[in-house]
Amino acid sequence: SQQGEEDPQALSIQEGENATMNCSYKTSINNLQWYRQNSGRGLVHLILIRSNEREKHSGRLRVTLDTSKKSSSLLITASRAADTASYFCATVSPGYSTLTFGKGTMLLVSP
Amino acid sequence: DAGVIQSPRHEVTEMGQEVTLRCKPISGHNSLFWYRQTMMRGLELLIYFNNNVPIDDSGMPEDRFSAKMPNASFSTLKIQPSEPRDSAVYFCASSFGRGGYEQYFGPGTRLTVT
Repeated sequence: SQQGEEDPQALSIQEGENATMNCSYKTSINNLQWYRQNSGRGLVHLILIRSNEREKHSGRLRVTLDTSKKSSSLLITASRAADTASYFCATVSPGYSTLTFGKGTMLLVSP
Repeated sequence: DAGVIQSPRHEVTEMGQEVTLRCKPISGHNSLFWYRQTMMRGLELLIYFNNNVPIDDSGMPEDRFSAKMPNASFSTLKIQPSEPRDSAVYFCASSFGRGGYEQYFGPGTRLTVT
């Protein structure tokens, strides 16, 4: 079963705009991770946020985590056409060593 | 570093045939994961190995699927006999430690069973 559910399912923006994707999950977690998948490729790890962290930055990426609401958001600032991809959140539950992925958000950035 | 290597990249086979997918994890990684991705079901974990030992195979769909990891640098996923509903993209991923952290994915094998 899917642990994380991304919202929206699809997002279309113009270059230079910011893109925000959300992820909700059902049970407690050790950490939450975001991955990117370009069409026809494998997933690429973007960022990991631990359950005791609230915010993390990496370049143009900003991830927030609200464990009380069981939700996370991924913000991509100043988007580029090259950011066009599917973005997945994945959770790791306490006592487990595996990731459970959501179904992803498809992001289209138009020049 | 070459990253995770998977072969073949594409496989087209007829129903009933045996299919073997191969994976070479990143050197030094001791956790290996096989996933299946479809539009309907998304990305599903099939099996997880740690130090070459299967730890969690609860995602393996049925007895037609089997996976092995004879050494730290090689794993196979076998489907015998294959069925059209097995058509999907199969990914192998590896990571340090016991898992739960950053995973490195291979490019995937696109399997089509006719």
